[in-house]
Amino acid sequence: EVQLVQSGPEMRKPGDSLKIFCKTSGYYFPTSWIVWLRQKPGKGLEWMANVYPADSDTRYNTIEGGQFTVSADKSTDTAFLQWDRLAASDSATYYCARLGSGTTFWLDPWGQGTPVTVSS
Amino acid sequence: QSVLTQPASVSGSPGQSITISCTGTNSDVGAYPYVSWYQQLPDTAPKLIIYDVSRRPSGVSSRFSGSKSGNTASLTVSGLQSEDEGHYYCMSYIGYNLLGVFGGGTRLTVL
Repeated sequence: EVQLVQSGPEMRKPGDSLKIFCKTSGYYFPTSWIVWLRQKPGKGLEWMANVYPADSDTRYNTIEGGQFTVSADKSTDTAFLQWDRLAASDSATYYCARLGSGTTFWLDPWGQGTPVTVSS
Repeated sequence: QSVLTQPASVSGSPGQSITISCTGTNSDVGAYPYVSWYQQLPDTAPKLIIYDVSRRPSGVSSRFSGSKSGNTASLTVSGLQSEDEGHYYCMSYIGYNLLGVFGGGTRLTVL
């Protein structure tokens, strides 16, 4: 069974740094893209960025407040999302998902989500 | 890129059918056979229910079906059940960088 398990809820202050993770299992991690998505409270889903673990290729979407970095570690089958300086507007639940691509395009499965609260 | 357009809410009675539309442009929905739909039940992560316009993943109820005409995709839920209540999001490939765009989401209420 393919599973994506994310790190737990986080609370930080504006200006803090943060790194959250997405631990995968049940498939060959290096050759599937991992996508990070944002969902602000009461709002819809936003596509943030993709990372390809085999060669650490990354693709970033243009979204509001997009000051973040994605990465992956093949040795631990884990993807990461990090911020050097958080802002209050970064408060959201963040999801990771595996991207099916090639002659198809879908996100499945999804991690359970990591709520991030940024407040002074 | 712009968010795909979905109705904010739809509702139906148990046993009825509803359809949710998802309108994009000829650069996303209209250009590729890569529209997918996600169900997000309260306080849970989204779940894939339709991919590549009309394909259903293993384990997803046959009550869910998808279609597309031009720049508009549609999700139909037949035989509505109370457990179907939640939000539904469409997503389309946007044609570059392996990026996608979502609809704003539709809240489904079973009366």
